[in-house]
Amino acid sequence: AQSVTQPDIHITVSEGASLELRCNYSYGATPYLFWYVQSPGQGLQLLLKYFSGDTLVQGIKGFEAEFKRSQSSFNLRKPSVHWSDAAEYFCAVGVGEYGNKLVFGAGTILRVKS
Amino acid sequence: EPEVTQTPSHQVTQMGQEVILRCVPISNHLYFYWYRQILGQKVEFLVSFYNNEISEKSEIFDDQFSVERPDGSNFTLKIRSTKLEDSAMYFCASSADQGWGTQYFGPGTRLLVL
Repeated sequence: AQSVTQPDIHITVSEGASLELRCNYSYGATPYLFWYVQSPGQGLQLLLKYFSGDTLVQGIKGFEAEFKRSQSSFNLRKPSVHWSDAAEYFCAVGVGEYGNKLVFGAGTILRVKS
Repeated sequence: EPEVTQTPSHQVTQMGQEVILRCVPISNHLYFYWYRQILGQKVEFLVSFYNNEISEKSEIFDDQFSVERPDGSNFTLKIRSTKLEDSAMYFCASSADQGWGTQYFGPGTRLLVL
């Protein structure tokens, strides 16, 4: 069955430090992969997505993610975290015939300390 | 920037009552979705909807649930006879395209069944 694992429930980083959020997926076909961010009281906002092509994808707010098929991973990175990045981050894989049924990971809560 | 809106933001209901959760998708979008997140659990796909019919539904989406696009702007989720376990955050999403399109999420409706 399709699944997404985000091993870290909480992560705390200092402002200005680099960030990597881990995501592993289980899906038999070519995955459509997404990272969403949710701030309190807000909906899920798409940061970036991977469908095919270049395995390093750039997103909004300075985020990037790298698809590694051999590791079934799609880790999210940012070189320098800002206090406004504090939020919950969700990795998802699109499954089904058109990849439009999203299967989410449990989320990682990012705390940024000054 | 266009956004998906949902009403109400919070709803409290008694077990066995019917509830209708409302969503206004982005105006030129054609594909609509409902997801839910039970407290402490993952965001789960419920249903996708296109051209006035359900495209796909999960095993969660049983006969107690129904969706409707009653007019050109609203998209609703009805739960006929609520159970305690229906307490969750319900997210509506819409996309312009089916497989490759980004799903834009609303802020959610928090439903509490007593």
